[in-house]
Amino acid sequence: SYELTQPPSVSVSPGQTASITCSGDKLGNKYACWYQQKPGQSPVLVIYQNAKRPSGIPERFSGSNSGNTATLTISGTQAMDEADYYCQAWDSSIVIFGGGTKLTVL
Amino acid sequence: EVQLVESGGGLVQPGGSLRLSCAASGFTFSNYWMHWVRQARGKGLIWVSRINNDGSGTTYADSVRGRFTVSRDNAKNTLYLQMNSLRAEDTAVYFCAREGMLLGNAADYWGQGTLVTVSS
Repeated sequence: SYELTQPPSVSVSPGQTASITCSGDKLGNKYACWYQQKPGQSPVLVIYQNAKRPSGIPERFSGSNSGNTATLTISGTQAMDEADYYCQAWDSSIVIFGGGTKLTVL
Repeated sequence: EVQLVESGGGLVQPGGSLRLSCAASGFTFSNYWMHWVRQARGKGLIWVSRINNDGSGTTYADSVRGRFTVSRDNAKNTLYLQMNSLRAEDTAVYFCAREGMLLGNAADYWGQGTLVTVSS
């Protein structure tokens, strides 16, 4: 079965750039999206179709997807960006989530 | 305003059944595919099931296939998840989510979730 692999945790200093990766076999041939989830809250879509931002999502959030890796990049990271981030893709009509990455802003 | 409100969660014994509902408002429900996603406490998101806009097509995760059934009533703007033969490992918060149009299958709106606890 298809799997998406994310690092369990990423740390970043305020104002710096955070990069969270998501790896899967030929992931670049699929659409990847990313969700942000803060404690006790529902997930929020932050990136869809690899690199597009829904309305209301700050420009500091960006995405890319090539080869076997999709990447979520947060430029000028703020304390409010501290959250869990999940990548998602489709494979054979099945939705696959990555295991999630806890982003710590310190 | 798009709203998705889940209900029907609770405590159920192993082997028991439960039906979750997701009431949709603020958009034309019959135009959208819908999903169920679950999350055990402290764990990641796990996709459960998907149903197309008219209810004629469904898919399931291997872990629930044959035990769970997703359905919808477009006249009532409501999504359902019938869960049978429940196991302890089905304990989780269950979210319903709307698959956005032209978003490459991403879910653009999520409900607040309903907690299902399977325990004796």
